[in-house]
Amino acid sequence: EAQVTQNPRYLITVTGKKLTVTCSQNMNHEYMSWYRQDPGLGLRQIYYSMNVEVTDKGDVPEGYKVSRKEKRNFPLILESPSPNQTSLYFCASTTGVNTGELFFGEGSRLTVL
Amino acid sequence: DQQVKQNSPSLSVQEGRISILNCDYTNSMFDYFLWYKKYPAEGPTFLISISSIKDKNEDGRFTVFLNKSAKHLSLHIVPSQPGDSAVYFCAANRADSSYKLIFGSGTRLLVRP
Repeated sequence: EAQVTQNPRYLITVTGKKLTVTCSQNMNHEYMSWYRQDPGLGLRQIYYSMNVEVTDKGDVPEGYKVSRKEKRNFPLILESPSPNQTSLYFCASTTGVNTGELFFGEGSRLTVL
Repeated sequence: DQQVKQNSPSLSVQEGRISILNCDYTNSMFDYFLWYKKYPAEGPTFLISISSIKDKNEDGRFTVFLNKSAKHLSLHIVPSQPGDSAVYFCAANRADSSYKLIFGSGTRLLVRP
């Protein structure tokens, strides 16, 4: 089954404790991206990757890091989480970059205390 | 400044009637528009799209209309069904930077039986 898998789905952590949210897709997509969803703000892009070893900042990259060492994986790293990073995070992938028809994971709800 | 706006946070319609969800955008460079549907605890899923060279695209019960001069698009669902109850996100991108998909804040649709 074609899918984008995120882990963990739910996480409560404390300020400053490094965490990684993993994302894996099995569709051989070149393009992957991370979004966060906050009430009243919709989905905002954090980082994206056009291919292996190619990453770039989205609209809200502060406080986040990413890496793309393999085509299928695109982890999101919070080196020192803060409460304003409490949010619902979505990983997405696509091969049809020109159209924007993204496949999304189920989301990871992160709470930073 | 939000480039894609969904000014109605919620909409309630009777089963069988038409649902009309609206979206406005400010960037005249956008040339591809999409609607995504999101159920609770799931990731958004692609619903329907339209290119700026068209003014209408239809897929079953779903039709998207684009008015470029007004920078406005709308999603019509006819007839509405209870299973359509979800959050709908409008999104837009530019062909020269198609990896920068910009989302609206979403409209929660409730279809009453």
